[in-house]
Amino acid sequence: AQTVTQSQPEMSVQEAETVTLSCTYDTSENNYYLFWYKQPPSRQMILVIRQEAYKQQNATENRFSVNFQKAAKSFSLKISDSQLGDTAMYFCAFMKHAPPGTYKYIFGTGTRLKVLA
Amino acid sequence: SAVISQKPSRDICQRGTSLTIQCQVDSQVTMMFWYRQQPGQSLTLIATANQGSEATYESGFVIDKFPISRPNLTFSTLTVSNMSPEDSSIYLCSVTRRDRGPGNYGYTFGSGTRLTVV
Repeated sequence: AQTVTQSQPEMSVQEAETVTLSCTYDTSENNYYLFWYKQPPSRQMILVIRQEAYKQQNATENRFSVNFQKAAKSFSLKISDSQLGDTAMYFCAFMKHAPPGTYKYIFGTGTRLKVLA
Repeated sequence: SAVISQKPSRDICQRGTSLTIQCQVDSQVTMMFWYRQQPGQSLTLIATANQGSEATYESGFVIDKFPISRPNLTFSTLTVSNMSPEDSSIYLCSVTRRDRGPGNYGYTFGSGTRLTVV
């Protein structure tokens, strides 16, 4: 069974600084997808970034980038130039490559990030 | 990506009663999912709702407690039945489309329903 572990329950960072959130996972699958979701106090789950396991290149979306280490089963999220609006709960999620109709997320327990002014 | 309207956004209910949560999508989607997020916890999948077939429930969740309807490709409901304080959680629906691979864009989530059972 797949598991996703986020070992940092809470983190804080000064505005404009850089912060890295950790995520490790366990799977025997070779083809899968990894995601970072953001959940602000509004409760809306917002997709931040995604990574296909077969891609060597780390995904980047503006200020957000990942460090994907497949052999180590590590998928950390780096937020550069942190902004107050980045304050939220961040969830790492795993999804194995499967036939349509069987997609399922496995979510980590989340990291609460607070950006300080 | 799809836009989801989920309601109610919050409710406070008496134990023993039932609450039905609605999820309306602005486009046709193949699959709809219902998640529970207990206080301070991560998201746990309750069931997958496909139009025209019975919902598929995850381990630990049963139809009698969480009946689901999926009458068409844009709408679904989740009922939390015979509620107890342990059912106090955030309930979220999410959608994806069969013709898109999961790695293409991930899922779209509703804004959630915060349920408090007293």
